[in-house]
Amino acid sequence: SAVISQKPSRDICQRGTSLTIQCQVDSQVTMMFWYRQQPGQSLTLIATANQGSEATYESGFVIDKFPISRPNLTFSTLTVSNMSPEDSSIYLCSVEDALHNEQFFGPGTRLTVL
Amino acid sequence: AQKITQTQPGMFVQEKEAVTLDCTYDTSDPSYGLFWYKQPSSGEMIFLIYQGSYDQQNATEGRYSLNFQKARKSANLVISASQLGDSAMYFCAMRVPNAGGTSYGKLTFGQGTILTVHP
Repeated sequence: SAVISQKPSRDICQRGTSLTIQCQVDSQVTMMFWYRQQPGQSLTLIATANQGSEATYESGFVIDKFPISRPNLTFSTLTVSNMSPEDSSIYLCSVEDALHNEQFFGPGTRLTVL
Repeated sequence: AQKITQTQPGMFVQEKEAVTLDCTYDTSDPSYGLFWYKQPSSGEMIFLIYQGSYDQQNATEGRYSLNFQKARKSANLVISASQLGDSAMYFCAMRVPNAGGTSYGKLTFGQGTILTVHP
């Protein structure tokens, strides 16, 4: 199974600032996925990140607010821009192991915006 | 559109007993996958079990089994011999292939069930 790490594990940020979250996988993967989990809610897909192309965003999420980079097959970043308290969530990256019909998540980044 | 429904906001079970967490789904795609995840208070998502729509047998992984009833579109998780460490939020999720016919890992999640195991 894939081992996924995320940095930072948690952060407290001020309104109007930006935070970049890193996701590192221990094996090469075609696609990486970024999810958001707002307090007391379920997970919602933000975008799918392909290496060498622009990310594909889900309805309700835009690139200006959540820019994503995918410089290689093991790494991706998600930036939460111009943050407001409504952005306080857990952000998780995920990869698919299609061969074994499994999908793994990183440990998450717990973000609090004041 | 795909939809996952978990109707039990919270469940309680006595240690060492079995518990069933309900999940129903809705999709028009004949090919899909169903997942269960455990989320402890730390926030990590722990993969538990997978069931494919064409699988003939119910999936099992240790103390976890999936009661897959395709005609009823249900995929209930059964945890046998509950342990105190099983107390957590549990999510059911579904994945369907994209237009190209390959699965790209977009999961649709239910609202979750909080399981509390009593000693």
